[in-house]
Amino acid sequence: QSALTQPASVSGSPGQSITISCTGTASDVGGYDYVSWYQQYPGKAPKLIIYDVRNRPSGVPDRFSGSKSGNTASLTISGLQAEDESDYYCTAYRSSTTVVFGGGTKLTVL
Amino acid sequence: EVQVVESGGDLVPPGGSLRLSCAASGFIFDDYAMHWVRQVPGKGLEWVSGISWNSGAIGYADPVKGRFTISRDNDKNSLYLQMNSLRSDDTAFYYCVKAQVRGSFYGGGLDSWGRGTLVTVSS
Repeated sequence: QSALTQPASVSGSPGQSITISCTGTASDVGGYDYVSWYQQYPGKAPKLIIYDVRNRPSGVPDRFSGSKSGNTASLTISGLQAEDESDYYCTAYRSSTTVVFGGGTKLTVL
Repeated sequence: EVQVVESGGDLVPPGGSLRLSCAASGFIFDDYAMHWVRQVPGKGLEWVSGISWNSGAIGYADPVKGRFTISRDNDKNSLYLQMNSLRSDDTAFYYCVKAQVRGSFYGGGLDSWGRGTLVTVSS
């Protein structure tokens, strides 16, 4: 099971927008609308920030948005803030009752 | 308040076995699928296994297939992971995680995470 492909790192300045891509296959990202994104601070448990491609749990700022095109999903953070500096992971449901994670992206706020 | 608390992590030699447990509270346990996700310290997240609300659907990641067994006891609000033939690359924090959507294996993502329990495989 190959992991979904994410950039190892992205960076942006406060107030800017950044996008993190997550590339899979037709068997996972492209095949189902079950893509989720998680934010993880060092030493902490991950937190769900986007589910089912584009939905935000209550309490997650609307600066966070998700989308998908073909086999690639994307997380966009607009109006970047210092507190957004964290690790971000995408996941997707894959056929045969399995789930696959991306390798993770470290976001640096300059 | 939804809570999931893992236990059972330990230091075990290669080839050994270990059983992780997860105690759930604050929600109707037998309505939700549950999953195990692991993380090597300083590395990324890796899905390990998942089980549907009624144990009718079960899945495993390829690296653990045939060695790990997930199970649940809805009467005890508990999730388990039996780990056999442990290898050094199984060393990681293991998180117990709840699916968000009632009745779905993964729809809605994973919304409640425990703090993790550390499994170290070393001689």
